[in-house]
Amino acid sequence: QKEVEQNSGPLSVPEGAIASLNCTYSDRGSQSFFWYRQYSGKSPELIMSIYSNGDKEDGRFTAQLNKASQYVSLLIRDSQPSDSATYLCAVNPYFGNEKLTFGTGTRLTIIP
Amino acid sequence: DVKVTQSSRYLVKRTGEKVFLECVQDMDHENMFWYRQDPGLGLRLIYFSYDVKMKEKGDIPEGYSVSREKKERFSLILESASTNQTSMYLCASSLALGAYGYTFGSGTRLTVV
Repeated sequence: QKEVEQNSGPLSVPEGAIASLNCTYSDRGSQSFFWYRQYSGKSPELIMSIYSNGDKEDGRFTAQLNKASQYVSLLIRDSQPSDSATYLCAVNPYFGNEKLTFGTGTRLTIIP
Repeated sequence: DVKVTQSSRYLVKRTGEKVFLECVQDMDHENMFWYRQDPGLGLRLIYFSYDVKMKEKGDIPEGYSVSREKKERFSLILESASTNQTSMYLCASSLALGAYGYTFGSGTRLTVV
């Protein structure tokens, strides 16, 4: 079983709609969770981090964490063509560990 | 902003060559990482360093070595390049995972022919 799983997509969403990206992880003790955006040919850039159960909002982005169900999601409201990218979920397996485990990413396409 | 600089954007090397990939960060981060990224396989950790002269193997260290003689610089070495090492190589650094995660360099696309 992969440690961090994401649907590879592609996920197509109309402009202005809500894009919902999901990630599940296998290690129940995981402590911190990150979402990275990666444009084609570019390196990943951090867009959200979350540590506690519930929602965390930053502009058009909302990260949601449910540790009991072992999933983390990213919602993008009012999707724009510039949101078209691959979104990587990353998980820190345990406290004190500095290494992240990455999912393989979900490719998101926003349709004008 | 933290800047992580990788010395080459594109690199073409021949099979059997010794290859050096350089990474420099300018924010005094303790932790530095080398990943490779391949389609369908995602990001895989090659090596990790949490301090000068300290290193730890990641998930796929075979065929690679690293060097960290100064805090700001972390080098990845392909001892004898092979075609299956053709990949995108990403360097990253972090102060502590905390709220900051990693900062990635722009990547080096290595092709071994």
